[in-house]
Amino acid sequence: KAGVTQTPRYLIKTRGQQVTLSCSPISGHRSVSWYQQTPGQGLQFLFEYFSETQRNKGNFPGRFSGRQFSNSRSEMNVSTLELGDSALYLCASSSDRDIGDTQYFGPGTRLTVL
Amino acid sequence: AQSVTQLGSHVSVSEGALVLLRCNYSSSVPPYLFWYVQYPNQGLQLLLKYTSAATLVKGINGFEAEFKKSETSFHLTKPSAHMSDAAEYFCAVSSIYNQGGKLIFGQGTELSVKP
Repeated sequence: KAGVTQTPRYLIKTRGQQVTLSCSPISGHRSVSWYQQTPGQGLQFLFEYFSETQRNKGNFPGRFSGRQFSNSRSEMNVSTLELGDSALYLCASSSDRDIGDTQYFGPGTRLTVL
Repeated sequence: AQSVTQLGSHVSVSEGALVLLRCNYSSSVPPYLFWYVQYPNQGLQLLLKYTSAATLVKGINGFEAEFKKSETSFHLTKPSAHMSDAAEYFCAVSSIYNQGGKLIFGQGTELSVKP
């Protein structure tokens, strides 16, 4: 089975712009979670989608949003980019939303905000 | 609330030496615990996970971890370090109260392996 894929792998934007990141889960996985990784804050949970519904949300401002499509692919959007949004954004998928299910991570999208 | 503490942001060992990476968790309910490894410019790869089936968990690449409830610990070990083990390691926790697959991660431990 193909793993979790994320596009693009690298992205450079300027402050004030918006950006959309894409994640394709492992075939058959219905849950997709997003995490932000920065040197200062580490790995932080953004949100999780299951069957096109946001089931859980982390403590991030409303500029961060996401959605999931009927084929389980997910996108996250960051509007009005700030310098502090520079980070590695990781997507993870799991087979369903049972707690303890293994989350499989993609390679991430490295976002740089100038 | 749940939390994870990884003791030591950097650990350095010699090739062939024991690897011990420490993880302590805080959880008021039975936890699910995970160790992930991250190589440079890559995502996270699951090493092993604890879901209450057995307290000693064996993972990939010769790693194992022991769940000790009395010490709220889940330390990661490997008997003999290899150069290819150099990476960053993350301990993570979830529980029945973490709906939607939310993982809470420790700050990570960077492992260096000296020849």
